[in-house]
Amino acid sequence: GIQVEQSPPDLILQEGANSTLRCNFSDSVNNLQWFHQNPWGQLINLFYIPSGTKQNGRLSATTVATERYSLLYISSSQTTDSGVYFCAVVNQAGTALIFGKGTTLSVSS
Amino acid sequence: SQTIHQWPATLVQPVGSPLSLECTVEGTSNPNLYWYRQAAGRGLQLLFYSVGIGQISSEVPQNLSASRPQDRQFILSSKKLLLSDSGFYLCAWSVMGSLGTEAFFGQGTRLTVV
Repeated sequence: GIQVEQSPPDLILQEGANSTLRCNFSDSVNNLQWFHQNPWGQLINLFYIPSGTKQNGRLSATTVATERYSLLYISSSQTTDSGVYFCAVVNQAGTALIFGKGTTLSVSS
Repeated sequence: SQTIHQWPATLVQPVGSPLSLECTVEGTSNPNLYWYRQAAGRGLQLLFYSVGIGQISSEVPQNLSASRPQDRQFILSSKKLLLSDSGFYLCAWSVMGSLGTEAFFGQGTRLTVV
């Protein structure tokens, strides 16, 4: 099945710093989503981005489907950005999202 | 707008007891429905998905089962819980019949088997 790899696994930042999270996937996909899992475990939808670039405030994402990767950019990080960031793609059968193992981000003040 | 409800939020159950977790979706018809599990400190594993009433597909062999008695209701069950069933269970939905549509998650149930 399709493999999803995220890097780095852990990231520690000072408030105000910028960061880039990467997601590589092993096959062509119809869908790619970025999620933020908050401390209570809830998965917050950040981007639905099968291709191209989107921006939402301090966050932006780019997916280059032909090269099988996506990037999530966080600018001017805040302590509330802390948590786990997941990348997920639709499997080849088109039936469900397959998740990477996530990047754990810790932002300190 | 569409909303997804999942309950209970937390649950502590003894080994060998039964389990029933419920998920309902409002504001949409014929959704794809999913159950995922997240073990402590790890990623999300797909357990079951459903494309319609009574249609359940299992991704991994386990001690759990799923049912979809109504269009917007998805239930995760076990007859006898094991310690290894502990984890965070998340229900999700996406638009029926379309590849590559956005999925949305419930708030999750944290299950501890003791």
